Amino acid sequence: DARVTQTPRHKVTEMGQEVTMRCQPILGHNTVFWYRQTMMQGLELLAYFRNRAPLDDSGMPKDRFSAEMPDATLATLKIQPSEPRDSAVYFCASGLGQGGQTFLYEQYFGPGTRLTVT
Amino acid sequence: AQTVTQSQPEMSVQEAETVTLSCTYDTSESDYYLFWYKQPPSRQMILVIRQEAYKQQNATENRFSVNFQKAAKSFSLKISDSQLGDAAMYFCAYREWGAQKLVFGQGTRLTINP
Repeated sequence: DARVTQTPRHKVTEMGQEVTMRCQPILGHNTVFWYRQTMMQGLELLAYFRNRAPLDDSGMPKDRFSAEMPDATLATLKIQPSEPRDSAVYFCASGLGQGGQTFLYEQYFGPGTRLTVT
Repeated sequence: AQTVTQSQPEMSVQEAETVTLSCTYDTSESDYYLFWYKQPPSRQMILVIRQEAYKQQNATENRFSVNFQKAAKSFSLKISDSQLGDAAMYFCAYREWGAQKLVFGQGTRLTINP
């Protein structure tokens, strides 16, 4: 049963600390997305990668957030320094894209990381 | 920019009854996808059903079906024979043809009364 995995599932940290969230996409998927879910903003796209290359990170605060794919089986989202307003559930999703950027099958979501910054 | 609106923050239905969740969207595109995702208390986002805008036939997946009205930019989800396991947040989402980004509505919380 292939699925997207995310670690940790929960993270509580103090303001100013570095936070790293990890995602393992479904084997064979070449497109990875990071979403953030809050009560106020709902679900919003932060960034996404195709074949490990960042294609769009316009939804991500550049000063403190960074996203990378060290290899095809790992995506990371880092916040440094963290702030209370970063408290949210962060979802990773993966999918199989073909034909360059023109076609993408469904996105499959991981269980999310619930981040609380105090 | 495309927007998705779910006007019902909460809905409830008796077990075994039918319920319809509403979704409207705004776009100037003619080719796009529409989705309904379910998010149970576990937080896992689960794809329920997908509709391609070029298809006139409404999508159906077992007890779940949609009413897609392209001219009205409406995409409602009907759940028949509601079950306790259907209780969740339901999100309507839009994706432009050729794009990767999903645009989500604010969600509708569905409660199933036994």
